[in-house]
Amino acid sequence: GAGVSQSPSNKVTEKGKDVELRCDPISGHTALYWYRQSLGQGLEFLIYFQGNSAPDKSGLPSDRFSAERTGGSVSTLTIQRTQQEDSAVYLCASNLPGTGKGYTFGSGTRLTVV
Amino acid sequence: AQSVTQLGSHVSVSEGALVLLRCNYSSSVPPYLFWYVQYPNQGLQLLLKYTTGATLVKGINGFEAEFKKSETSFHLTKPSAHMSDAAEYFCAVSDRGSSASKIIFGSGTRLSIRP
Repeated sequence: GAGVSQSPSNKVTEKGKDVELRCDPISGHTALYWYRQSLGQGLEFLIYFQGNSAPDKSGLPSDRFSAERTGGSVSTLTIQRTQQEDSAVYLCASNLPGTGKGYTFGSGTRLTVV
Repeated sequence: AQSVTQLGSHVSVSEGALVLLRCNYSSSVPPYLFWYVQYPNQGLQLLLKYTTGATLVKGINGFEAEFKKSETSFHLTKPSAHMSDAAEYFCAVSDRGSSASKIIFGSGTRLSIRP
């Protein structure tokens, strides 16, 4: 597609429920990244995928968080047993490594846990 | 490990004044450096980037940044602030020694413009 697409744009969920956030990267971009932006905070790296390599999961805050990328394209970030502190904007980005170009970000999913 | 430090979480300048947003980085290998801007209620967009070559990098909207290896800095400047520059600015670094590398962002600097 022309840009990075994320869905849903907004999600309100009850504490303890599981949520899935979706990211559809730019076609041809082999790398895909997830970040979290809490209110008034910077961007916290969560996880990234590059081609068929094992993902870098070093930023995932707990084992309630997981992500997968199917077929080297669409990615899903899953948060199990959501907590109020999970409330944030979850941003996805993609790029083609080695080109020196920055990421292209999606518009994000605003997650609110009540 | 790479890191980015942005000095000043909030900077306020008068319209027409110089904008200077400070960024220092830490990287064990030559870095790629970026500035991103986030306007209110919008996503992030790339303002400018340094990869190789000329150390003075020009970006959109009249912004520029200079890579100073000796000072490990990549400060963002604009000669004359405009009201439309009010936004959150993020400095970021990635490891160009790898074929693929995550970008590490600073905590951001909120720029306010006084009329």
